[in-house]
Amino acid sequence: ETGVTQTPRHLVMGMTNKKSLKCEQHLGHNAMYWYKQSAKKPLELMFVYSLEERVENNSVPSRFSPECPNSSHLFLHLHTLQPEDSALYLCASSQDRGLSGNTIYFGEGSWLTVV
Amino acid sequence: AQSVTQPDIHITVSEGASLELRCNYSYGATPYLFWYVQSPGQGLQLLLKYFSGDTLVQGIKGFEAEFKRSQSSFNLRKPSVHWSDAAEYFCAVGAWGGGNKLTFGTGTQLKVEL
Repeated sequence: ETGVTQTPRHLVMGMTNKKSLKCEQHLGHNAMYWYKQSAKKPLELMFVYSLEERVENNSVPSRFSPECPNSSHLFLHLHTLQPEDSALYLCASSQDRGLSGNTIYFGEGSWLTVV
Repeated sequence: AQSVTQPDIHITVSEGASLELRCNYSYGATPYLFWYVQSPGQGLQLLLKYFSGDTLVQGIKGFEAEFKRSQSSFNLRKPSVHWSDAAEYFCAVGAWGGGNKLTFGTGTQLKVEL
């Protein structure tokens, strides 16, 4: 138990569907992240939120839409995805995004399959 | 920008044998470094971290890593591997002042033979 909980753990969706991934952290952290993990590729940082404000968007396609309603919750809204978007999506949090060296704690991930 | 190389994609060791996983980084100043472990179907669990100070750091599950500035390395070691250590291991580097953006290596898959 890392203190970062992701749901659902597995999701299969069609290319025309709309779905959302949810992340909740119980660590009292101020920064939250979405990472994408594809086979044989390094983890890719997608989005960073600090105190509910998006501070980083690493050229992610608009079919991925993040939402951070408060410092404990982070969503990733998905629509009209492509099969190549199938991957493990990892949510993470850290005490503070602005202070380098903060340890990043990861959730267990949501396995997404786009058919 | 920083980068991380994990030269070994797969490593197989016998249970009870020693282990060393290699990590080399590229960064112009002193980085901060992490090792994470990922079991099948799971997220990443922090094993240990180096921010500053003593270059030999101890982590969970009996792992340790040594920061060697002259070699730009942060290799992970364990004196005696257990079958439960079979997993994928990721090295990550961050840059001070870089806003906590970590760069991850591509991982090393560890197999433990009984």
